[in-house]
Amino acid sequence: AQSVAQPEDQVNVAEGNPLTVKCTYSVSGNPYLFWYVQYPNRGLQFLLKYITGDNLVKGSYGFEAEFNKSQTSFHLKKPSALVSDSALYFCAVRPAIMFSGGYNKLIFGAGTRLAVHP
Amino acid sequence: EAQVTQNPRYLITVTGKKLTVTCSQNMNHEYMSWYRQDPGLGLRQIYYSMNVEVTDKGDVPEGYKVSRKEKRNFPLILESPSPNQTSLYFCASSLSSAVSEPIYEQYFGPGTRLTVT
Repeated sequence: AQSVAQPEDQVNVAEGNPLTVKCTYSVSGNPYLFWYVQYPNRGLQFLLKYITGDNLVKGSYGFEAEFNKSQTSFHLKKPSALVSDSALYFCAVRPAIMFSGGYNKLIFGAGTRLAVHP
Repeated sequence: EAQVTQNPRYLITVTGKKLTVTCSQNMNHEYMSWYRQDPGLGLRQIYYSMNVEVTDKGDVPEGYKVSRKEKRNFPLILESPSPNQTSLYFCASSLSSAVSEPIYEQYFGPGTRLTVT
């Protein structure tokens, strides 16, 4: 079955420290990978995506993610965390081979809550 | 402003009372989708639409209906809501791409928190 795993329910980081939010995936074929962020009482906002090419992808608000094909991972990173980064982060994959849901279907991880402490 | 809007944002209802959650986008997107978000499960797709009059089931379609009569609107209908449909619902849209690239990200609405008692 195609799936996305976010192994940490919560990540705690001190402001100014680097942060990593982990994501691994299991899909057929080469995946397209996304990170979204959800602030309280808001919808999901797109952060970045990996389609092809350079394994390091840069996105909004200083976030970046590294695609590792051998480890089937797409970890989200930021060099210096801000308190305002505290939110719920979702990793999602759009499989290259779809069995249902249309070509645009996203499969989401369960989400990781990031808490940045002053 | 490019956006996806949903109404209502909050809804408390009783078992069996039909309801509709509206979704509208102003970006001329072909693809629209409904998801439900439950703790520990992430977002799961309910129904999707590739274009006007083209809809299909997602992963958790039981108890839901949709329609796509116009490109901008994609309402979610619960004809006989039950307590297990208590959830946070998101509508999303994107430009449509088939097998070939480019690959477009989805834009999400603000969410509708539904409670069925």
